Amino acid sequence: GENVEQHPSTLSVQEGDSAVIKCTYSDSASNYFPWYKQELGKRPQLIIDIRSNVGEKKDQRIAVTLNKTAKHFSLHITETQPEDSAVYFCAAIHSGNTPLVFGKGTRLSVIA
Amino acid sequence: ETGVTQTPRHLVMGMTNKKSLKCEQHLGHNAMYWYKQSAKKPLELMFVYSLEERVENNSVPSRFSPECPNSSHLFLHLHTLQPEDSALYLCASSQRTGFDEQYFGPGTRLTVT
Repeated sequence: GENVEQHPSTLSVQEGDSAVIKCTYSDSASNYFPWYKQELGKRPQLIIDIRSNVGEKKDQRIAVTLNKTAKHFSLHITETQPEDSAVYFCAAIHSGNTPLVFGKGTRLSVIA
Repeated sequence: ETGVTQTPRHLVMGMTNKKSLKCEQHLGHNAMYWYKQSAKKPLELMFVYSLEERVENNSVPSRFSPECPNSSHLFLHLHTLQPEDSALYLCASSQRTGFDEQYFGPGTRLTVT
C-alpha cells in the first residue's frame, strides 16, 4: 500500500520568512495530493490540493509543487504570519475507492 | 463548523467500562471515517464506511467496534480499553471515498484510566 513520509516534523520560522514542508510517497500510481492544516485545539481542514496532471498550484501565499518522477511534493508558505502556526498534514491517494494516506504532520511555529 | 458533530467532546472511562462515541454529518456525504490522533501517530485511520458499508479496517483491535446505521451517523463502540487507547478520536466525512475533501468533526478526547 501507499506510504507517505513527511519532513520536517517541526519547523520554526521568523514572521515574514518562507516555510517549506516536503513529503514523499511510495506508490507511483498516486495522483491526488491534498494538504490539511490543523490549528491548536481545532479540527484538520483542507487548505490546498494538487492532482498529478499539474506540477504546481498556488493560492495566495501558499503553493504546492509536485515532482512525479521523484515521487515527492512540497508545501510552500511565503510571508509567514503567526496565524500560519499549526500542524500541517500531507496526504496521497491513487484511487477514488481508497482512503487518503496521511503523513505524520509538521508542526510549524511562526515567531513574531 | 457544524457540518460534522461529535459527542461527547470529552470522555473518561475505566478499562472495564463500555461506552460509545457518536458522529453525525449534515453535509449529505456518503463516506465516513474514524481516525485516532495521538502524539505517536498524528492521524491514524481506523475505519472507513462508504454508503453504510465498511470498506476499510486498518487492523484495529476488536475492542473498537464501529457501526454505521445510515449515511449520516457513525458510532464507535468501546469496551475493555487500555490506557494506551487514550487519544483524540476524530470523525470525518466526504462525498465519496478518495478524491473528495474530508470534513472533520471536533473530536472526542478519550482518557482511559
